[in-house]
Amino acid sequence: GENVEQHPSTLSVQEGDSAVIKCTYSDSASNYFPWYKQELGKGPQLIIDIRSNVGEKKDQRIAVTLNKTAKHFSLHITETQPEDSAVYFCAASSRAGTALIFGKGTTLSVSS
Amino acid sequence: DAGITQSPRHKVTETGTPVTLRCHQTENHRYMYWYRQDPGHGLRLIHYSYGVKDTDKGEVSDGYSVSRSKTEDFLLTLESATSSQTSVYFCAISESPANTGELFFGEGSRLTVL
Repeated sequence: GENVEQHPSTLSVQEGDSAVIKCTYSDSASNYFPWYKQELGKGPQLIIDIRSNVGEKKDQRIAVTLNKTAKHFSLHITETQPEDSAVYFCAASSRAGTALIFGKGTTLSVSS
Repeated sequence: DAGITQSPRHKVTETGTPVTLRCHQTENHRYMYWYRQDPGHGLRLIHYSYGVKDTDKGEVSDGYSVSRSKTEDFLLTLESATSSQTSVYFCAISESPANTGELFFGEGSRLTVL
């Protein structure tokens, strides 16, 4: 079945360092790859997304890269700040395009 | 913030009892989803709806049913709750299919089945 693997499950960095979270997807028909951030006690919120016809996208301190051949995509956060501490989920669109399949999440802790 | 309200926000129930969770939206979005979130499993899709009375199963639909009789409401029913259904349930909505745009999530409903 459709599957999204996400690594690492936990990540601790010092303020100002970079953080990288990696995901792989199984279905070559997936064409949309969003990243969601979940703060404690809240629902996930979209932070950045990328489509299959684009290799990289950047928005201030965050960037996402996509390697369609390898079915890998990654989230890069530069100059991390304590408020970046949260759970991050990657996702890939289902074959039918009607739903998102999420990874298991990465808990990012940024210490000052 | 997208207008999504989940109710109840917290519920404790006993094994074998029926439970209904409600998701209400004020955005008039066509697509609605129910996900469950469990430690070590992330977010898993239970059911989704692509219009009034149009629903389909997700990856973990066993033991759950849904109904959507009007655009703004999407109900998730556990006919006979089991302890394995203890979880945090999130409703999400989107204006277009999931592979074209943002999903907006509610605040979650925490269900404990004793």
